[in-house]
Amino acid sequence: KAGVTQTPRYLIKTRGQQVTLSCSPISGHRSVSWYQQTPGQGLQFLFEYFSETQRNKGNFPGRFSGRQFSNSRSEMNVSTLELGDSALYLCASGEDSNQPQHFGDGTRLSIL
Amino acid sequence: AQSVTQPDIHITVSEGASLELRCNYSYGATPYLFWYVQSPGQGLQLLLKYFSGDTLVQGIKGFEAEFKRSQSSFNLRKPSVHWSDAAEYFCAVVGYNNNDMRFGAGTRLTVKP
Repeated sequence: KAGVTQTPRYLIKTRGQQVTLSCSPISGHRSVSWYQQTPGQGLQFLFEYFSETQRNKGNFPGRFSGRQFSNSRSEMNVSTLELGDSALYLCASGEDSNQPQHFGDGTRLSIL
Repeated sequence: AQSVTQPDIHITVSEGASLELRCNYSYGATPYLFWYVQSPGQGLQLLLKYFSGDTLVQGIKGFEAEFKRSQSSFNLRKPSVHWSDAAEYFCAVVGYNNNDMRFGAGTRLTVKP
């Protein structure tokens, strides 16, 4: 089985731009979660999708949004980028959110 | 609110020595508990999980963890550490009916030759 695939691996943007990150979960997994990882804040939960519905959202501003498609692939969008959005964005999939999560290698986003 | 605490930010052990990484959780009922490991520049890999039953669970790479309800702890152990175990370790908790897996701040493990 192929693992969780995140694209792109690296991204450089400037302040004010917007960005879309993609995540392809493991086949058969309907739950996809997104996390932001920074040295200062650690792993922070962004949101979780299950069967195209957002079931839970972390404490992030509305600039962070996401969606899930019928094939369980998910995208995350960040608008009006700020310097503080520089981070490793991790996607994880599972049969459900309370089951073992399988992580992608992440997208490293750098804001200049 | 559920939370998970890893008291040790950084631990250094000698190769061949034993290891114990601490994890404490706060939750109304017994949650599902996990340990993950992250190597630099990579995502997280599941080491082991506890849902119910035997409180001593075995994982991959020779790791084990013990669930202690009375102490709200789920400490990770390994009897003999290898240099390749150097990485960051995360404890995570999620409720049975919850959609939000919470992670501890992580413990960075350094292995001395």
